[in-house]
Parts: sequence; C-alpha cells; structure tokens
Amino acid sequence: GAVVSQHPSWVICKSGTSVKIECRSLDFQATTMFWYRQFPKQSLMLMATSNEGSKATYEQGVEKDKFLINHASLTLSTLTVTSAHPEDSSFYICSAREGLGNTIYFGEGSWLTVV
Amino acid sequence: AQTVTQSQPEMSVQEAETVTLSCTYDTSESDYYLFWYKQPPSRQMILVIRQEAYKQQNATENRFSVNFQKAAKSFSLKISDSQLGDAAMYFCASRIRMVGNEKLTFGTGTRLTIIP
Repeated sequence: GAVVSQHPSWVICKSGTSVKIECRSLDFQATTMFWYRQFPKQSLMLMATSNEGSKATYEQGVEKDKFLINHASLTLSTLTVTSAHPEDSSFYICSAREGLGNTIYFGEGSWLTVV
Repeated sequence: AQTVTQSQPEMSVQEAETVTLSCTYDTSESDYYLFWYKQPPSRQMILVIRQEAYKQQNATENRFSVNFQKAAKSFSLKISDSQLGDAAMYFCASRIRMVGNEKLTFGTGTRLTIIP
C-alpha cells in the first residue's frame, strides 16, 4: 500500500530557532498534502493544504509566516516552524492524496518539543 | 462548514464482545465521505472504514461495520469480536467529495479500551 513518511519522528529545538519537518510520499505522486496539528489527548486540527507548485492554503487562525509550508515536488512537502516557542510543541501529522484518487494516506507524525 | 461530534470520550469492551462508537456530523453538502480512523499508541492514523454518502448500503470491513443514517446525520462504528489490538483512539471524520477540497474534519475521538 501507499506509504507516507515523515522525518524526523522526534525533534527537540531551542526556543527562537527554526525546525523543518519533511513529509514524503514514497510510492506515489501526491499533488496535495495536508498538515495537521494534534495536541495531547485532542483531535487533529488542519493547519494548511499544500498543492504542488503553488502556495499553501492556510486555515483560519494559522500564522502563515510562522508555519512555512513548501510543496516543491510531487513527493515532498515541508513544514518549517520558524522562531519556535514552547507553545508550538505538539504532534504534527501530514497526509497526502494520491493523484486524483480518493484515498488519503497519513504519515507517522512528528513530535516537536521546543525548550 | 462541516462539524463532526463524538460524544463518547471513552469506551471499554470485553474482549470478543461487540462495541459501537457513536458519531454525528453536520454538513450542508450533499456529496461527501465519512471515515473512521484508528490511532494506536504509535500515533499512526489508520483508515478503518469509509462510507460514501450517496451509497445507501452500510460499509463493512471484516469485523468493522458502520450504521450510516443519512437523514439523522449519524455514522456509528460497530466493532465485532473485539480484539486486544483494537485498543486505540478512534476518530470519526468527514470530507466533501470535491477534487481540490479534500480536507478532513475530525471529531474529538473516542478512546477504546479492550478488557482481556
């Protein structure tokens, strides 16, 4: 089956620094990828939708200058948390749609801890 | 806008028994999908079952089946012959059936515990 891989699985960074999380579709081309954030014991909240070769569409309340999303190829989307603060600590999950298909595959998620 | 509501934060069931997880949703769209996802401790989101709103027949996947009541906007998940590996958070989700707008809206989740 289709696989979506996220890297890193765990990352700890200092407050004020930036951190990049990668989301790769390993065996299919993903024209659309989605980034979610999940706080402990809470549901997944969509942050943004990224389409290959175009700007990401951010959900209301998500700071686009803080959470930079790049979808430069059909197999890779990146989320960069800029000037990270402890309140940005969370579990970040990406998902990818295979071409024009209806199935969406999720990555394994990335834990971000800002100290 | 779509909303998904799961009113059961936690459920437990004896191993080998049957359990039903509730979900209600609201949407102004006529064409949409409904999903149940499982999130085990590993945090990997796993698709359990999918239902197309235009289909009247309830979806089934082995021990998992849904009771889709479109008029009532209800979408419950039944797990038969519960197994220890079924223990996880279960999220109900919906999305519009439209190319270019595939974002999922999730409920708050139900934590399912399997009692040996």
